[in-house]
Amino acid sequence: EAGVAQSPRYKIIEKRQSVAFWCNPISGHATLYWYQQILGQGPKLLIQFQNNGVVDDSQLPKDRFSAERLKGVDSTLKIQPAKLEDSAVYLCASSYNRGDEQFFGPGTRLTVL
Amino acid sequence: GQQLNQSPQSMFIQEGEDVSMNCTSSSIFNTWLWYKQDPGEGPVLLIALYKAGELTSNGRLTAQFGITRKDSFLNISASIPSDVGIYFCAGDRSGNTGKLIFGQGTTLQVKP
Repeated sequence: EAGVAQSPRYKIIEKRQSVAFWCNPISGHATLYWYQQILGQGPKLLIQFQNNGVVDDSQLPKDRFSAERLKGVDSTLKIQPAKLEDSAVYLCASSYNRGDEQFFGPGTRLTVL
Repeated sequence: GQQLNQSPQSMFIQEGEDVSMNCTSSSIFNTWLWYKQDPGEGPVLLIALYKAGELTSNGRLTAQFGITRKDSFLNISASIPSDVGIYFCAGDRSGNTGKLIFGQGTTLQVKP
């Protein structure tokens, strides 16, 4: 069974630029999560989708971050405009349903200069 | 916001030694999870705990859900070089929402 796919694996941008990350969850998984992991810290949940609806986005900085999961399968996370403090690994995870085991992708490492 | 405090922050041990790390919170959690993260990869679930007092093993790993529901510990017995990595605890306050809060991680290094 294929795991969670993410692209790109690495991205370097200048501050104030825009960037987008893509995630393809495990087939059949209804719940999709985006996490931000700053160097030396644990992952922090940004947004949780159930199918194509947002369950929780309380920790998403909505002035610059947006995410969508239009067809209830793959998802994109966008940052516009990026700040230096957005440098982190962005992890996508999926689970069969809410509360089930979460499977993580390899992450996208973002560096903002 | 809610935090999970993990200790120790890092450990450097000899191969064959046992390891113990723990996670505490000021809030009650109804699910405790332990993950391992290797460089360049996402976290992988090691053990899940769903009931206060529960003691669960997975090979050389043993984890317990504290009676107060505010803490958990993970033990690794007879460590081997491939145990190297970062270990994270995570908790779900409601127990079944998937809204995980992670600790800061314990970095484990094993000397052959």
